[in-house]
Amino acid sequence: QKEVEQDPGPLSVPEGAIVSLNCTYSNSAFQYFMWYRQYSRKGPELLMYTYSSGNKEDGRFTAQVDKSSKYISLFIRDSQPSDSATYLCAMSALQGAQKLVFGQGTRLTINP
Amino acid sequence: KAGVTQTPRYLIKTRGQQVTLSCSPISGHRSVSWYQQTPGQGLQFLFEYFSETQRNKGNFPGRFSGRQFSNSRSEMNVSTLELGDSALYLCASSPRDRILPDTQYFGPGTRLTVL
Repeated sequence: QKEVEQDPGPLSVPEGAIVSLNCTYSNSAFQYFMWYRQYSRKGPELLMYTYSSGNKEDGRFTAQVDKSSKYISLFIRDSQPSDSATYLCAMSALQGAQKLVFGQGTRLTINP
Repeated sequence: KAGVTQTPRYLIKTRGQQVTLSCSPISGHRSVSWYQQTPGQGLQFLFEYFSETQRNKGNFPGRFSGRQFSNSRSEMNVSTLELGDSALYLCASSPRDRILPDTQYFGPGTRLTVL
């Protein structure tokens, strides 16, 4: 069993929809949680970075962490075609990026 | 400021060959990390260099090696290629001596296909 599980999709939704992307994990020591966005033929870029449980909002994006359920989510409101990308969750017990464990990524398409 | 550049962008090799990939970090960045991305395993950490020294290494066989030069440019080498080495190899640079997710920037990757 992988430490981090993420549904690879693909997920296809109409423009304007609310998108929910999720990851589950098994290591209770994880306390740093990230979401990355990766466009085709590009490297990942950090979208959201949270520590411990709770919510974090940045524009149309909201990250939620539920450590009791070992479950993290990324919500995208008013989705746009430009949001079409692969979204990767990542997490670690320590702050260093070399310790990150990544999910497989969910391919998302927003249809105009 | 120019981003992280990786060369070549695409590469096709055959089993048993060896390959060298190159990464130029963002100007002023001294830390370079390498990752392997595959559909099955996702993104996995290979190793990290800072000031020409390997500081961290992931769980990969010794066929995977790297180095960093005094100008912070880095190369990674894979010897005796196997079919399973087909992947996107990503390089990331960071300005700090600790690689933190919010100060780490990825390049576009080198797509390696092993036939």
